[in-house]
Amino acid sequence: EAQVTQNPRYLITVTGKKLTVTCSQNMNHEYMSWYRQDPGLGLRQIYYSMNVEVTDKGDVPEGYKVSRKEKRNFPLILESPSPNQTSLYFCASSSGVRGSSTDTQYFGPGTRLTVL
Amino acid sequence: KQEVTQIPAALSVPEGENLVLNCSFTDSAIYNLQWFRQDPGKGLTSLLLIQSSQREQTSGRLNASLDKSSGRSTLYIAASQPGDSATYLCAVSRSGTYKYIFGTGTRLKVLA
Repeated sequence: EAQVTQNPRYLITVTGKKLTVTCSQNMNHEYMSWYRQDPGLGLRQIYYSMNVEVTDKGDVPEGYKVSRKEKRNFPLILESPSPNQTSLYFCASSSGVRGSSTDTQYFGPGTRLTVL
Repeated sequence: KQEVTQIPAALSVPEGENLVLNCSFTDSAIYNLQWFRQDPGKGLTSLLLIQSSQREQTSGRLNASLDKSSGRSTLYIAASQPGDSATYLCAVSRSGTYKYIFGTGTRLKVLA
């Protein structure tokens, strides 16, 4: 089954304790992206990656890091989490082929993060 | 800066009604526009993808149109059902980048 998986699904942590949220896709997609969703603000893009070792900032990259060492994985790293990073996080992937119907994004189930 | 607006923020309709959801964007330089649905506590499910060169896309009871020049897209849902109750989001992809901008969504409730 084609899917995007995220782990963990729920996480409660404390300020300053480094954490990693994993994202994996099994569709051989080139493009992967991280979003955060907050009430009243909608989904905002954090980082995206066009291919292995190629990443770029979205609209809200501050306080986050990403890496793309393998095509299927795109972890989100919070080196020193703060309470304003409490949010619902989504990973997504697509073929990245512009003009193609395969450019549609597929989303993971989400990770609800609480930073105390 | 690209801004995406969805109006109304919430909508409640009786079952069987045809309805239209609106999405407006300020910069017409887009690659494509996608419509998603999001069920409570769940991820997003893609409904329709419209390329910038296309005018509309259809899938079952759903039809999405795109008018780049006016910065508008509409999602038409025919013969609405209670199972259509969800939040509907639109997102545009900026030309020249792989960034996506989402609207804040329309929360739809279809009453049985």
